[in-house]
Amino acid sequence: DAGVIQSPRHEVTEMGQEVTLRCKPISGHDYLFWYRQTMMRGLELLIYFNNNVPIDDSGMPEDRFSAKMPNASFSTLKIQPSEPRDSAVYFCASSYGVGIGELFFGEGSRLTVL
Amino acid sequence: SQQGEEDPQALSIQEGENATMNCSYKTSINNLQWYRQNSGRGLVHLILIRSNEREKHSGRLRVTLDTSKKSSSLLITASRAADTASYFCVSRTSGTYKYIFGTGTRLKVLA
Repeated sequence: DAGVIQSPRHEVTEMGQEVTLRCKPISGHDYLFWYRQTMMRGLELLIYFNNNVPIDDSGMPEDRFSAKMPNASFSTLKIQPSEPRDSAVYFCASSYGVGIGELFFGEGSRLTVL
Repeated sequence: SQQGEEDPQALSIQEGENATMNCSYKTSINNLQWYRQNSGRGLVHLILIRSNEREKHSGRLRVTLDTSKKSSSLLITASRAADTASYFCVSRTSGTYKYIFGTGTRLKVLA
């Protein structure tokens, strides 16, 4: 398996623009997580899904953030409108719920909002 | 914030020495895991310890868990330059699949 695939790896955008980050989890995994990593706040859990259904979105910072999982092989995290304080590395991770629950991470999407 | 804390924040040791990192968490947990992150990369799972376990070994790694103190430690023995990375503890909140990361320890192993 190719592992968790995220795109884009790097994104530079202007304040106010819409940003869409994408994630393809490992086939067969039924949990998908979105994390944000910054120097100031470390790794924060934004939202997680089980079988494509959002379970806990309490970490989503504002209404400007939204996440969807239309099917088992694809998820998006959208920021609209983007602000400079959204600059961070966004990680997607997937897991198989039955078993030890090890998280498998993608390489991350580094977002810079100017 | 539910985020756990780790100490030290940074650790610099010589190759061959042991490295110990400590982690505290805030909620009741199902299990606690340790992950490693090389600079600019994603995180990789190292080891998991369940809430009913006190100690676990895997190669050069030893993890302990004290649920009464809500704390864990990771020991890396005979460290190598390739162990240079950031290390995070991750607690899985009981009854959920919510994984909460600690603040991380940056380990530097000098050759």
